[in-house]
Amino acid sequence: EPEVTQTPSHQVTQMGQEVILRCVPISNHLYFYWYRQILGQKVEFLVSFYNNEISEKSEIFDDQFSVERPDGSNFTLKIRSTKLEDSAMYFCASSGGTYLTTGELFFGEGSRLTVL
Amino acid sequence: DAKTTQPTSMDCAEGRAANLPCNHSTISGNEYVYWYRQIHSQGPQYIIHGLKNNETNEMASLIITEDRKSSTLILPHATLRDTAVYYCIVRASGGYQKVTFGTGTKLQVIP
Repeated sequence: EPEVTQTPSHQVTQMGQEVILRCVPISNHLYFYWYRQILGQKVEFLVSFYNNEISEKSEIFDDQFSVERPDGSNFTLKIRSTKLEDSAMYFCASSGGTYLTTGELFFGEGSRLTVL
Repeated sequence: DAKTTQPTSMDCAEGRAANLPCNHSTISGNEYVYWYRQIHSQGPQYIIHGLKNNETNEMASLIITEDRKSSTLILPHATLRDTAVYYCIVRASGGYQKVTFGTGTKLQVIP
């Protein structure tokens, strides 16, 4: 069964450092998303991406965050200068393609980011 | 998206049916009911969705009331691996629509 894969599974970084989280969505999907979950809290929407541009973003997704799809297969989330409060699990998701009418999102297993 | 209300937590004996309720009284005509679950800290997993008819797949059944103001997710024979947080979400269909997660129902399956 096709799946969304994310790397790294866990990253530890120092405050102020740049971090790039990578995702490989399901190959025929057209819509891509990043979510985050701070320990013990809800899963929060960050950004959605379609046709090589951001289609929607939340208040959390400020200028420190950026996304891109550099090569047609990877979908990346960059945090330019990490803060302690960026420590969370980050989930990538994709949807669309032949399942356009169902709208289900397929999630990866997440990348745990720890900022020291 | 319409708001949903779910119990904070539920217990279910292993092998029994787990019935998870959800209220969505402000649902509009073009909105579907989706269910996802999150096992421990894994990525959320899609379970099932429906518009107004009852739906069944290999994971679960979804019963939607005739007025569409509430629904029930049924796991027919709960196992320990079904212990998870279950999210009821109302949203329009379409691949571009984001999913907004609430706090869900923490289901504990007891041996």
